Amino acid sequence: KAGVTQTPRYLIKTRGQQVTLSCSPISGHRSVSWYQQTPGQGLQFLFEYFSETQRNKGNFPGRFSGRQFSNSRSEMNVSTLELGDSALYLCASSFLGSVNEQFFGPGTRLTVL
Amino acid sequence: KNEVEQSPQNLTAQEGEFITINCSYSVGISALHWLQQHPGGGIVSLFMLSSGKKKHGRLIATINIQEKHSSLHITASHPRDSAVYICAVGGVAGGGADGLTFGKGTHLIIQP
Repeated sequence: KAGVTQTPRYLIKTRGQQVTLSCSPISGHRSVSWYQQTPGQGLQFLFEYFSETQRNKGNFPGRFSGRQFSNSRSEMNVSTLELGDSALYLCASSFLGSVNEQFFGPGTRLTVL
Repeated sequence: KNEVEQSPQNLTAQEGEFITINCSYSVGISALHWLQQHPGGGIVSLFMLSSGKKKHGRLIATINIQEKHSSLHITASHPRDSAVYICAVGGVAGGGADGLTFGKGTHLIIQP
């Protein structure tokens, strides 16, 4: 079974721009969660999508948004980038969400200049 | 909001030693995860627990729901076990779809 894939792996943007990151879950998994990892804050939950619906959202501003398609692939978007958005963005897929084993993708490292 | 505390933050040990990493959380949960992250960022799920104890090779994870505490043990540690180990809790007792809340991680170095 193919693992979770994320594209792109690396991204450099400038302040004020927007960015879209993509995550393809393991086949059959309906839940995709997104996480931000920074040296200062560690790993933080952004949001979870299940069957194309946002099921839960972490404590992040509205500049962070996402969606899930009918094939369970998910995208997250960050608008009006700030320097503090520089981070490793990870997605994880599972059958049912946080009560199931999470399978993580390799992450997208975003640098905002 | 659940608070997750891990200890120790850093641990350096000699090859072959028995390693214990602890995790405490403040609110009842549906599941607790132990994750391993190597340099470069990739995260691997080691265990998911809702009660009792699980064993996988040289790794053992236990959870005490009443005390809101979990431990990860590594027996016969090896340099390849060097990584960051992260505890994460999910859901609320009785169900729910909350995202994971993470501890800060334990940076483990095993010296040959």
